[in-house]
Amino acid sequence: QQQVKQSPQSLIVQKGGISIINCAYENTAFDYFPWYQQFPGKGPALLIAIRPDVSEKKEGRFTISFNKSAKQFSLHIMDSQPGDSATYFCAAAISGNTPLVFGKGTRLSVIA
Amino acid sequence: DVKVTQSSRYLVKRTGEKVFLECVQDMDHENMFWYRQDPGLGLRLIYFSYDVKMKEKGDIPEGYSVSREKKERFSLILESASTNQTSMYLCASKGMPGTGRGNTIYFGEGSWLTVV
Repeated sequence: QQQVKQSPQSLIVQKGGISIINCAYENTAFDYFPWYQQFPGKGPALLIAIRPDVSEKKEGRFTISFNKSAKQFSLHIMDSQPGDSATYFCAAAISGNTPLVFGKGTRLSVIA
Repeated sequence: DVKVTQSSRYLVKRTGEKVFLECVQDMDHENMFWYRQDPGLGLRLIYFSYDVKMKEKGDIPEGYSVSREKKERFSLILESASTNQTSMYLCASKGMPGTGRGNTIYFGEGSWLTVV
């Protein structure tokens, strides 16, 4: 049973464009939703995270939009750059000692 | 900065061998995790530990075991390696909830294991 569904599997965006990656979750007890960024040969690193008490969180060019009623959240990368080319994972967890549940990842390529 | 170190980056082992993957973290984190990463399947949790000598099964524990004798060290053991265990293995750690970035998981750089 896949608890966090992520789409698309891969994404190609022109430099300067907006990259959008979507995730949907099933467990309404989830209350922590991070996005991780992974470059080739490296482990994933936290990019940005949100809690369900807000609908949007922005850090620089990266924004999480959260829709609690639809049980969906998305990552928007504004002014996408070639350096943003990486694999992005959404995740969800119940705060506490429970592990993160990850989506299957989106491979983003930003082309000049 | 938090550092999660996986001692072996690339390993080639034979079918049936016993394999040890070692992981050390330097942030005094209580929680440690082992994930497996495969193309198209994302990150799947094998085992995790929330304290010394404690362990919990994740989503895909079959064929694996773990050991946590010291707080900073979490080992993944493949008792008898098989070709379907060829993968990248990621170790991670996390602090206690409610403490600073207590929800943030920090990953190591991964161990690429090939079983032939």
